[in-house]
Amino acid sequence: GENVEQHPSTLSVQEGDSAVIKCTYSDSASNYFPWYKQELGKRPQLIIDIRSNVGEKKDQRIAVTLNKTAKHFSLHITETQPEDSAVYFCAASRSGATNKLIFGTGTLLAVQP
Amino acid sequence: EAGVTQFPSHSVIEKGQTVTLRCDPISGHDNLYWYRRVMGKEIKFLLHFVKESKQDESGMPNNRFLAERTGGTYSTLKVQPAELEDSGVYFCASSRIGQGKTFGSGTRLTVV
Repeated sequence: GENVEQHPSTLSVQEGDSAVIKCTYSDSASNYFPWYKQELGKRPQLIIDIRSNVGEKKDQRIAVTLNKTAKHFSLHITETQPEDSAVYFCAASRSGATNKLIFGTGTLLAVQP
Repeated sequence: EAGVTQFPSHSVIEKGQTVTLRCDPISGHDNLYWYRRVMGKEIKFLLHFVKESKQDESGMPNNRFLAERTGGTYSTLKVQPAELEDSGVYFCASSRIGQGKTFGSGTRLTVV
């Protein structure tokens, strides 16, 4: 069935370092890949997304890369700050943003000051 | 604009009881989704409404779960009777056609 694997499950970095979270999806028909950030006790918030017609997208300190051949996509956070600490979820969806999302299991990122 | 609102934020019920969760989507969002995160695992899809119609209910775990969206506005998710394994955080999300989903803060359900 449809499945998204996410690694690592926990990640601890020093403030200012980069953080990378990787996901692999199984459904080759997936064409929309959002990333959500969930701070403790708050709602998951969309931080960046990428569609299958591009290989990379950047928004300030956050970037996402997509390798459709390998069915991999990754989140890159540069110059990490303590406020980046949260659980990050990757997800994949068929037929664009409207369809259901298949989520990864989440990565707990801790940025040490 | 106001965000996606969910009620209650927390609910503790006994096994066998009934619980109804409510979601108020962002005004104008025709798409409404229910998701659930159980025991720190992945967030799993339950179902998708387009206006008042169920577009996809492939994620509903069993017939103890009933979702409605009368009039295409707010939605309710009823669990009857609740079992221990139903414990988790239930998220609602909404979106306009073709756009990304905005999530609510979730309802934490604990069945004891």
